[in-house]
Formats: sequence, C-alpha cells, structure tokens
Amino acid sequence: DIQMTQSPSFLSASVGDRVTLSCKASQNINKYLAWYQQKLGEAPKLLIYNANSLQTGIPSRFSGSGSGTDFTLTISSLQPEDVATYFCLQHNSWLTFGSGTKLEIK
Amino acid sequence: QVQLKESGPGLVQPSETLSLTCTVSGFSLTSYSVSWVRQPSGKGPEWMGRMWYDGDTAYNSALKSRLSISRDTSKNQVFLKMNSLQTDDTGTYYCTRDRPTRPLAYWGQGTLVTVSS
Repeated sequence: DIQMTQSPSFLSASVGDRVTLSCKASQNINKYLAWYQQKLGEAPKLLIYNANSLQTGIPSRFSGSGSGTDFTLTISSLQPEDVATYFCLQHNSWLTFGSGTKLEIK
Repeated sequence: QVQLKESGPGLVQPSETLSLTCTVSGFSLTSYSVSWVRQPSGKGPEWMGRMWYDGDTAYNSALKSRLSISRDTSKNQVFLKMNSLQTDDTGTYYCTRDRPTRPLAYWGQGTLVTVSS
C-alpha cells in the first residue's frame, strides 16, 4: 500500500505570508495527488487535484506542484480564513490520505 | 446542485453491524461513483470503499473482510454495511462523489458513529 507523509504537522504563520506544505509518497504516484482543506466541524473541501489543477471556486492564492513522490501546496498570501487542517490524498492506486498539516495564524 | 447526505444510527454496540445510507441528488449514480470515507476524531480521513458508476465495487484492503457497499439507483441511494464493529471504528462517516481524475470532489455533511456499549 502507498503511504503518504505530510510535513510539518503544525504550522504557524502570519497573515500575508507565503506558506508551503509538503506531502511525500512512499512510491511513484505520477501526478495523482490532491489537496483538501478541512475547517473545524466541516467536511474536507477539494482544493487541488492532479497535483496542480485548481478546483472550481477555489481562490488563486492556492497552488499545487510536484510529481512522482514529492508534492507541495502553496498559499501565496495567507488569509485568516485559511486556518484549517490540510490533507493530501494520492489517487494513483486506490486512495490514501496523509495525516495532515494544521495551519494557524501567528 | 450536487448534494449527498448520510443517515444511520449514531450509536452501535461492539460486535454489531453498522448500516449507513447515502442519499444523493443533482447527479446520477450511473454516471458518477460514490466513495465512503471515515475519520476518527482528531485524525486523518480513511478511504473505505467505492461504488463505481457501473455497479462494480472496490474496497480498502484493510476493511474488505468486514465491508459491503451496494446501491439502489431508483432511490438515488448508496449503502454501507460493516460488521464486527469495535471501539476504534468510532468516527465521522462521509459519502463523497468520486471520479478517478477528480477524486472526492463533493462531500456529505458526515454522520457521527459511536461504537460503545
């Protein structure tokens, strides 16, 4: 089974900062990586699929990159409403989630 | 507009069987797949299994022996049954609309299932 490792587990940043979250796969997953945002008490929301495709309605400050085993989610200018936990998901071979990065405002 | 809604018992006894229903609207079950995902409190989500648009099914290997997913297209419903529940099966259970190229794009609100005597 494919394992997904996210880092860091916790991140504190200031409004306006550029924020980068990492996700590593235990084997090659090509471009089949998605990112989700989960706010407290809500279901996860799809942000990015196929590593770098922005889901409809998601602000352009969110972007994704990577292929193979190493992937990144970037928030170009952190906003207060971005406080959430972010999960990656590989969809190359069935579906496996990472353990998440909790993002807070400093 | 795409909507999914989970329903089922909030409390299940240990060793008993969990039965959940996902009722969908805004799309056809013969055009889109539906996956079940669960999430223990404070932990990451876990994909459980999928009802493909063509009626085929796929299961997480870790749950395959306990899990069954079925559907009734006339009622726009997908069903989950999982037996031999234990306390670590406690969590929020979601149904999601699923496509290979755009996975888990729409989610239900989730239903909390507690396994306790």
